[in-house]
Amino acid sequence: AQSVTQLDSQVPVFEEAPVELRCNYSSSVSVYLFWYVQYPNQGLQLLLKYLSGSTLVKGINGFEAEFNKSQTSFHLRKPSVHISDTAEYFCAVTMVSGYSTLTFGKGTMLLVSP
Amino acid sequence: DVKVTQSSRYLVKRTGEKVFLECVQDMDHENMFWYRQDPGLGLRLIYFSYDVKMKEKGDIPEGYSVSREKKERFSLILESASTNQTSMYLCASSITTSGTYNEQFFGPGTRLTVL
Repeated sequence: AQSVTQLDSQVPVFEEAPVELRCNYSSSVSVYLFWYVQYPNQGLQLLLKYLSGSTLVKGINGFEAEFNKSQTSFHLRKPSVHISDTAEYFCAVTMVSGYSTLTFGKGTMLLVSP
Repeated sequence: DVKVTQSSRYLVKRTGEKVFLECVQDMDHENMFWYRQDPGLGLRLIYFSYDVKMKEKGDIPEGYSVSREKKERFSLILESASTNQTSMYLCASSITTSGTYNEQFFGPGTRLTVL
């Protein structure tokens, strides 16, 4: 079985500041890693994913994440946030083999203020 | 664009009622999923289906059942609703391609309140 830990439940930040949302995972098998975003009153939208290859993954809206196998981490970063980035962000994993079911972290609420 | 629709955005039911939550996808996806989302707990998988009439239990199946009679439709059933089933329910679907992962596409969610 796998698990995901999002270390911060809430991250307040000022507009145009950089941000990092932390995610650590645990699994005895190889995994794929994802970040999803949920804007208020909406469903989840895929931000980016790591399947293989380069450990630095670029996603939509200027976000990127780095897969670190030795530290079992997949932290999400953005160099300069906007008010519109205010949303809840979920880190998720799935096993490379087997059904493609996702295991989610508990979420991190990113609050961007002017 | 893939579209996953859920029958209601908001639903209010009474304890003991039988509740049906419907999900429809329009992209001929083999896999469909039901999650519940609670503050501080993230999303947890209730059931999923990888084919018509097939179903598999997720992490929290107790108190729920599912039905998949047609490929495009996946129903979540609360046989006897209880207050602890008050939650946001999210449906998702994905295609199956061997050897790789395919993105799950999510519906907008149904916020269910059980009184």
